[in-house]
Amino acid sequence: DARVTQTPRHKVTEMGQEVTMRCQPILGHNTVFWYRQTMMQGLELLAYFRNRAPLDDSGMPKDRFSAEMPDATLATLKIQPSEPRDSAVYFCASGSWGPDTQYFGPGTRLTVL
Amino acid sequence: QQQVKQSPQSLIVQKGGIPIINCAYENTAFDYFPWYQQFPGKGPALLIAIRPDVSEKKEGRFTISFNKSAKQFSLHIMDSQPGDSATYFCAAMSSGYALNFGKGTSLLVTP
Repeated sequence: DARVTQTPRHKVTEMGQEVTMRCQPILGHNTVFWYRQTMMQGLELLAYFRNRAPLDDSGMPKDRFSAEMPDATLATLKIQPSEPRDSAVYFCASGSWGPDTQYFGPGTRLTVL
Repeated sequence: QQQVKQSPQSLIVQKGGIPIINCAYENTAFDYFPWYQQFPGKGPALLIAIRPDVSEKKEGRFTISFNKSAKQFSLHIMDSQPGDSATYFCAAMSSGYALNFGKGTSLLVTP
């Protein structure tokens, strides 16, 4: 049963610290998305990649957020420095261009104190 | 700017009832309209999806109705069960791009 995995599942950190979230997309999927979910804003797109190349990162605060795909099996989202307003659940999703279906991981719940 | 508007924000129905969740969009380039179901502590999971060349799609107890001219689509859950209690998100996208989500509807099905 192929699924998207994310680590860590929970992260509590203090303001100003660096946070790194990792995602392993489903093998064979060529598109990876990062979303953020909050009560106020709902699900927001932060960035996405196709064939490891960034296609759109307009949803990310560029001064503190960065997203990369070092290889086809790993996507990372970094926040440096973290702020309390970054507290949210961060989801990674993967899919294949064509069928358009996106499969979500279980999320990383981030709390910045 | 919210590209997909979803209503209602919350919904309570009795077991066996038919909850209906509505969504509207503006971008006529959208050509894929999925619904996602999310349980607490879990990621959204694809429930059912439709493309604009059909007006209705059924999968089990879940039905999407699609009105291209009105730019609206809705989810109907037949014979709803307490296990259907979850948050439901509609979304829309142009093929190859990212999903634009509605704000979500929290559904509670009472026994």
